[in-house]
Amino acid sequence: GQNIDQPTEMTATEGAIVQINCTYQTSGFNGLFWYQQHAGEAPTFLSYNVLDGLEEKGRFSSFLSRSKGYSYLLLKELQMKDSASYLCALMDSNYQLIWGAGTKLIIKP
Amino acid sequence: NAGVTQTPKFRILKIGQSMTLQCTQDMNHNYMYWYRQDPGMGLKLIYYSVGAGITDKGEVPNGYNVSRSTTEDFPLRLELAAPSQTSVYFCASSYDGSSGNTIYFGEGSWLTVV
Repeated sequence: GQNIDQPTEMTATEGAIVQINCTYQTSGFNGLFWYQQHAGEAPTFLSYNVLDGLEEKGRFSSFLSRSKGYSYLLLKELQMKDSASYLCALMDSNYQLIWGAGTKLIIKP
Repeated sequence: NAGVTQTPKFRILKIGQSMTLQCTQDMNHNYMYWYRQDPGMGLKLIYYSVGAGITDKGEVPNGYNVSRSTTEDFPLRLELAAPSQTSVYFCASSYDGSSGNTIYFGEGSWLTVV
């Protein structure tokens, strides 16, 4: 079967760095997505990884290790507006997205 | 720059009533999806479509129906509303279903069944 795990909630301080982990089990893999979702709003695309390694986009970076079934989203120089839920989603062998429950990130001043 | 538009934003239904959630996209995307999102749970796929005239069941299709008569529109029908269908519904689209294709979401529809 397929399964995605990510922490339910994390707290970090404005200006700091936070790493949100995502682990998965799957029989087929066609990439891993990270989405950001502010409360009461739709998810918006952050990043996509299909090969091992780090993808950097400004303050946000995403890492993938396929052999370990592991990804993380790294947020630097945290701002209050980064308070949101971060969703990890796995694209399986049928090109269907399997979504994690999301990690609620709380930023404190 | 409309993207994916869904209506209504909020709706309260009585048990047994029916309704349609409308969804339209102006990005000429082939793939369209309906998800539901319950508190503390990941997005669950209800139905999806890979093109006009083609629809398929997702993970949680029971109690719902869809149609895809045009590329732009993908309405979701609830025939006999039940309290278990209280949820937030998101319509989404992507150019195709291939690896790396970004999915774009509508703003969501909050549905309460009482």
